[in-house]
Amino acid sequence: ETGVTQSPTHLIKTRGQQVTLRCSSQSGHNTVSWYQQALGQGPQFIFQYYREEENGRGNFPPRFSGLQFPNYSSELNVNALELDDSALYLCASSSRTSGGTDTQYFGPGTRLTVL
Amino acid sequence: AQSVTQPDIHITVSEGASLELRCNYSYGATPYLFWYVQSPGQGLQLLLKYFSGDTLVQGIKGFEAEFKRSQSSFNLRKPSVHWSDAAEYFCAVGAVSSASKIIFGSGTRLSIRP
Repeated sequence: ETGVTQSPTHLIKTRGQQVTLRCSSQSGHNTVSWYQQALGQGPQFIFQYYREEENGRGNFPPRFSGLQFPNYSSELNVNALELDDSALYLCASSSRTSGGTDTQYFGPGTRLTVL
Repeated sequence: AQSVTQPDIHITVSEGASLELRCNYSYGATPYLFWYVQSPGQGLQLLLKYFSGDTLVQGIKGFEAEFKRSQSSFNLRKPSVHWSDAAEYFCAVGAVSSASKIIFGSGTRLSIRP
């Protein structure tokens, strides 16, 4: 157990809808990263939040957005859902140091299905 | 371009046999290297990591990996596999300067033959 929790576990939406996924970081961690894992593939980096600000973004469109709260919990929001957004969404928390090195610990994921 | 290659999509080994999963990376900066394991429908569990120092890294569940800079490789090994080791294994790389973004390989699915 990593101490990283995600909700909900599963979610079904229709194309065009909006979705919010939630993540609670491991105690003491100040950084959260989000990944998308399509079926049969490795996780793809969406973005990272550090001290409530976006700190790095992968190759995802602006309809993917996020928030980090003062208690270091986080949300991933996806607008205008498309069929290709169906995937396992993983949250990872870490403790960023001045040297920038950290190990990311993953939650169990949220399985999103877009119909 | 930064990338991680896991050349074996699927490997089957007999229980008790030794295991080696291959990983090659392409990264401009000094890399941090990781191996994660994922059971079906689950999140990722960290097996081991290499940041610096001894190039042979010990991890959990009896796994080890060796960093070979000259070959840009970070292969995962286990001397004797157990049926519970059946899972998907991902090699990943991050930057020394900032591990904000981790790049994952496409994974190797490990099956165990009784």
